[in-house]
Amino acid sequence: NAGVTQTPKFQVLKTGQSMTLQCAQDMNHEYMSWYRQDPGMGLRLIHYSVGAGITDQGEVPNGYNVSRSTTEDFPLRLLSAAPSQTSVYFCASRDTGMAYGYTFGSGTRLTVV
Amino acid sequence: RKEVEQDPGPFNVPEGATVAFNCTYSNSASQSFFWYRQDCRKEPKLLMSVYSSGNEDGRFTAQLNRASQYISLLIRDSKLSDSATYLCVVISNSGYALNFGKGTSLLVTP
Repeated sequence: NAGVTQTPKFQVLKTGQSMTLQCAQDMNHEYMSWYRQDPGMGLRLIHYSVGAGITDQGEVPNGYNVSRSTTEDFPLRLLSAAPSQTSVYFCASRDTGMAYGYTFGSGTRLTVV
Repeated sequence: RKEVEQDPGPFNVPEGATVAFNCTYSNSASQSFFWYRQDCRKEPKLLMSVYSSGNEDGRFTAQLNRASQYISLLIRDSKLSDSATYLCVVISNSGYALNFGKGTSLLVTP
């Protein structure tokens, strides 16, 4: 049972490049989310999904796309990277009961130059 | 106004001390409450859920006051290993989105 797995752990992009951050969970959780964490800003929700085929925007969705074709995977796509997207990105998942907290992946540290 | 607010600290306490953190939330319809711990350059990890009746896990006690919309975390007999950032987390009435406080930094010193 690996929990939530994120790849890559580190990435440097040039402005304008695109890439996909991968997230996979093996706990059969319906809810999955992407957060970014910036100094002084705390964690902010980018996109979330409540099940395969269902996604919606969070607090800071601009510049990012997601899809959820399977329960296990929830990739985050950066369409055209900008320096403002330099951040630490966390994927998280949880079961549907309200008493359950989210389990986080170990994060992807992204730098856009 | 941010949905979840915490005193950022830092709280510097000696080993063995008792320390308390508070957190306030703005959405009265919020349904679930948690404390997470985050070590430097690591992911947040669930420390404990917070229930209206209060709950305890070893040296940690969490309380929820719905009327005043605040959550507290008490750490007794602080250990050096308790040094971390403690995040107050609220799940909105929608049931899916976590709202994070910015975290309270704790440093336990010998």
